[in-house]
Amino acid sequence: KQEVTQIPAALSVPEGENLVLNCSFTDSAIYNLQWFRQDPGKGLTSLLLIQSSQREQTSGRLNASLDKSSGRSTLYIAASQPGDSATYLCAAHDRGSTLGRLYFGRGTQLTVWP
Amino acid sequence: NAGVTQTPKFRVLKTGQSMTLLCAQDMNHEYMYWYRQDPGMGLRLIHYSVGEGTTAKGEVPDGYNVSRLKKQNFLLGLESAAPSQTSVYFCASSYPRQGAAWNQPQHFGDGTRLSIL
Repeated sequence: KQEVTQIPAALSVPEGENLVLNCSFTDSAIYNLQWFRQDPGKGLTSLLLIQSSQREQTSGRLNASLDKSSGRSTLYIAASQPGDSATYLCAAHDRGSTLGRLYFGRGTQLTVWP
Repeated sequence: NAGVTQTPKFRVLKTGQSMTLLCAQDMNHEYMYWYRQDPGMGLRLIHYSVGEGTTAKGEVPDGYNVSRLKKQNFLLGLESAAPSQTSVYFCASSYPRQGAAWNQPQHFGDGTRLSIL
């Protein structure tokens, strides 16, 4: 069974810092790796989807990389802002499972203070 | 553009009661999913559907039933609620029948917070 782990569980940084969130998965046979943001009391918002054939994806200040061979993905946030405070979740779309099924990590809770 | 809408947003039930959670999407997506989110457990898939009239079990299906009579709606039912089903329930959808089905992001609703006493 695919297992997804996120480190650290929580992170608190001052505004303006560049930061990296880590995600690891145990089975490299994946269709893609997805990063989500979850605000308190809200649902998940899709940030980036990296296909298994890709190495990275970028959206604004966010850059996500994927290394299937080592079972790792990182989410890089440049010039962090207080509005970036949220929980960030990664999810692996496992090839061995039913189509569309995602395996989620437990998330990294990010706090960016002014 | 509403996206994925879940009804109700909050509910308190007594043990043994039944209820239905409604999920509606307006993106013409083929796939729909029900997850539960518990502290320290992450999101776990309960049931899913790959098209109108089809449903299948996910990781934690016991105690739940689902139906997808219309493409835009996916219902999650609790026949006899138990305290262990206290959770936040999320519905998601994906795949507008354009592009590869396996490389589509999932779109989530805001959740239903369910407490069972």
